[in-house]
Amino acid sequence: RKEVEQDPGPFNVPEGATVAFNCTYSNSASQSFFWYRQDCRKEPKLLMSVYSSGNEDGRFTAQLNRASQYISLLIRDSKLSDSATYLCVVNISPGRRALTFGSGTRLQVQP
Amino acid sequence: GAGVSQSPSNKVTEKGKDVELRCDPISGHTALYWYRQRLGQGLEFLIYFQGNSAPDKSGLPSDRFSAERTGESVSTLTIQRTQQEDSAVYLCASSREAGNTEAFFGQGTRLTVV
Repeated sequence: RKEVEQDPGPFNVPEGATVAFNCTYSNSASQSFFWYRQDCRKEPKLLMSVYSSGNEDGRFTAQLNRASQYISLLIRDSKLSDSATYLCVVNISPGRRALTFGSGTRLQVQP
Repeated sequence: GAGVSQSPSNKVTEKGKDVELRCDPISGHTALYWYRQRLGQGLEFLIYFQGNSAPDKSGLPSDRFSAERTGESVSTLTIQRTQQEDSAVYLCASSREAGNTEAFFGQGTRLTVV
């Protein structure tokens, strides 16, 4: 089982749609969680951190479910510019410290 | 500079040659990471440096791969006797602390082994 797993997609949605991605992680001791965004042939950039109580940033909402070991990202009112690959990132083991990336979920927002 | 800088941006090398990739992290960032991304795939962890602690080399795929970092500054990733399967984008990232703060990535070095 992969340490961090994501549905690769692609998710093809129309502009204005709401779309949600999930990501599961294997180590229940994981402590830090993030969503990164990667545009085609570009480097990944932080989209948002994921806090235990859930957090929102504009059209984006991130949630953490420790019991089921998954995090989610909800995008409301999708824009064409949201088209990208969304990477789930976990600090899998506090003893290890390096960030572990999922393979990413590709989103294509269509006009 | 303001961001993470990697050089070269592109490198084409013949199979069997050695290559050295360079990463200049953001000043003051104690943590530095190297990842590899093959075409259409996710990021594969290679090695991680944190201050003066021993590096976490658990992701290096073979003994042909090695990396060094001088203090909290420049890092070099060396691949000896390159193989075609080494072709990928090599991404370097740095962060203020390890594991729980934002990691900033460089634009990567695209390595092509022919």
